[in-house]
Amino acid sequence: DIQMTQSPSSLSASVGDRVTITCRASQGISSWLAWYQQKPEKAPKSLIYAASSLQSGVPSRFSGSGSGTDFTLTISSLEPEDFAIYYCQQRSDWPPTFGGGTKVEIK
Amino acid sequence: EVQLVESGGGLVQPGGSLRLSCAASGFTFSSYAMHWVRQAPGKGLEYVSAISSNGGSTYYANSVKGRFTISRDNSKNTLYLQMGSLRAEDMAVYYCAREDGRWGQGTLVTVSS
Repeated sequence: DIQMTQSPSSLSASVGDRVTITCRASQGISSWLAWYQQKPEKAPKSLIYAASSLQSGVPSRFSGSGSGTDFTLTISSLEPEDFAIYYCQQRSDWPPTFGGGTKVEIK
Repeated sequence: EVQLVESGGGLVQPGGSLRLSCAASGFTFSSYAMHWVRQAPGKGLEYVSAISSNGGSTYYANSVKGRFTISRDNSKNTLYLQMGSLRAEDMAVYYCAREDGRWGQGTLVTVSS
């Protein structure tokens, strides 16, 4: 299985901060990467697919970049509703494995 | 509006069986591969199983292979997960998900004596 490693596992930030989360694949996955946001007691919500394509309805402060093995999710200016756990997922090979998650907390 | 609604979760004893359902609406169900993903309490996301749009191909995580069976009824717009020989480590919220990332709200499976 392809291993997905996210960093950091958690971070504290303030409203208005720029936040960057990284995800590294154990082997090349081209651009077959998705990002999800999960709030407590809720299902994950898709934010980005194909590494950098924004899902419909997702605010433009979210962006994704990268290809191959290294990927980044950036929130340009953190809003109160962005405090959540973020997961990356590779869709290159079966099984479509997830990263361990990054918890974004209020500073 | 796209909707995925899981049902069938509950309390089951170790070694028992349970069948989860996922009712789909608001889209052409038969055009999409569908997945089951689970999340143990306080843990991350784990892929469980997937099925192609016509049901001809299936995938299982090693942790459930031989114990779980995924299926679908495109005439009823419903996805299923038949779970058997349940273990404590199968306890989780089970989500059905469309292949492009739309998820249901989940159903909780508790395995305990």
